[in-house]
Amino acid sequence: SQKIEQNSEALNIQEGKTATLTCNYTNYSPAYLQWYRQDPGRGPVFLLLIRENEKEKRKERLKVTFDTTLKQSLFHITASQPADSATYLCALDISRGKLTFGQGTILTVHP
Amino acid sequence: ETGVTQTPRHLVMGMTNKKSLKCEQHLGHNAMYWYKQSAKKPLELMFVYSLEERVENNSVPSRFSPECPNSSHLFLHLHTLQPEDSALYLCASSQDFAAAHYEQYFGPGTRLTVT
Repeated sequence: SQKIEQNSEALNIQEGKTATLTCNYTNYSPAYLQWYRQDPGRGPVFLLLIRENEKEKRKERLKVTFDTTLKQSLFHITASQPADSATYLCALDISRGKLTFGQGTILTVHP
Repeated sequence: ETGVTQTPRHLVMGMTNKKSLKCEQHLGHNAMYWYKQSAKKPLELMFVYSLEERVENNSVPSRFSPECPNSSHLFLHLHTLQPEDSALYLCASSQDFAAAHYEQYFGPGTRLTVT
């Protein structure tokens, strides 16, 4: 069956360090992969989209990689800040615009 | 704000009640979605509407009934719910449905508790 796994339920890092979150998938061949941020009690907010033919995408302090051979995406936040604390979700298109989401990784950045 | 609003933000209902959730998008998008988010579980897609036509019903029980009167409004009508239906219900919209290179814009959600 199709499966998406985000490496850990929770990740704690120190302010200023780089946070690296992992999204692994099996039995998919997605054309796109998206990352979202969700704060408690709020809906997810889109961050980045990467296509299958792109190795890397950057936006300010965010960087996403997409390795279709390993079936893995890495999401990096450099120079992390306490305000980056949130749940981060990866999402893959499984067919015709339908997104399937991972369970999320709760990131906490300590001052 | 994302341009997608949802009302009410919180709802407590008994198992025999009938209630409706409302979603409105101000982005001019053609596709709208209902998701369910339960604790410790991934977002689950429930329904998709594209240009007011339902294009996806993800094996959702009939006690959930969606309605899309126009491309800006989406409703989820609830009746005879079960306690396990308690969750955060999220509405989202995107420019179009047929391609997943469009990001989705989510509303703040309705926190539903079924007693």
